[in-house]
Amino acid sequence: KAGVTQTPRYLIKTRGQQVTLSCSPISGHRSVSWYQQTPGQGLQFLFEYFSETQRNKGNFPGRFSGRQFSNSRSEMNVSTLELGDSALYLCASSESSGDQETQYFGPGTRLLVL
Amino acid sequence: GDSVTQMEGPVTLSEEAFLTINCTYTATGYPSLFWYVQYPGEGLQLLLKATKADDKGSNKGFEATYRKETTSFHLEKGSVQVSDSAVYFCALSESRAAGNKLTFGGGTRVLVKP
Repeated sequence: KAGVTQTPRYLIKTRGQQVTLSCSPISGHRSVSWYQQTPGQGLQFLFEYFSETQRNKGNFPGRFSGRQFSNSRSEMNVSTLELGDSALYLCASSESSGDQETQYFGPGTRLLVL
Repeated sequence: GDSVTQMEGPVTLSEEAFLTINCTYTATGYPSLFWYVQYPGEGLQLLLKATKADDKGSNKGFEATYRKETTSFHLEKGSVQVSDSAVYFCALSESRAAGNKLTFGGGTRVLVKP
């Protein structure tokens, strides 16, 4: 099976713009989670989508949003970009949703905000 | 809330040396525990997991045992190779939370020299 894919891999934006990142999960996986990785804060959970519904949300401002489509593909959107949003955004998929599920990560989208 | 603490790096070793990376956690329930590895420029790969106390996860020569009494999940490998150079993340998945949500430690960079 193909792994988790994320597009684009690299992105440069300026402050105030918005950005949309895409994630295609492993075939058959219904849960998609998003994480932000920065040198200062490490890996932080953004949100999880399962069967097109947001199941869980991390402690991020409302500028960060996401959605999931019927084919399980997911997008996350960041509006009104700030310099501090520069990070590696990782998407992970799992077959289902639960604490014992293994999450498989994509290569990430590296976002630079200037 | 739940949290994960792991030893800070970098850890520098010679090839064939013994590797230990300490990981302790705080959780009110009975979380599942994971070790992930991140190679330069890539996303996270699951290394091993354990879902209940006294479980031992193992993969590619790495081992970790879920110790509920000491709330620890230390990673060990008996003989490291240069190819083991990477950043290692300990993580937990909360048992009482709905859905998937991984809480990560800060990561430990390991450098293996020939």
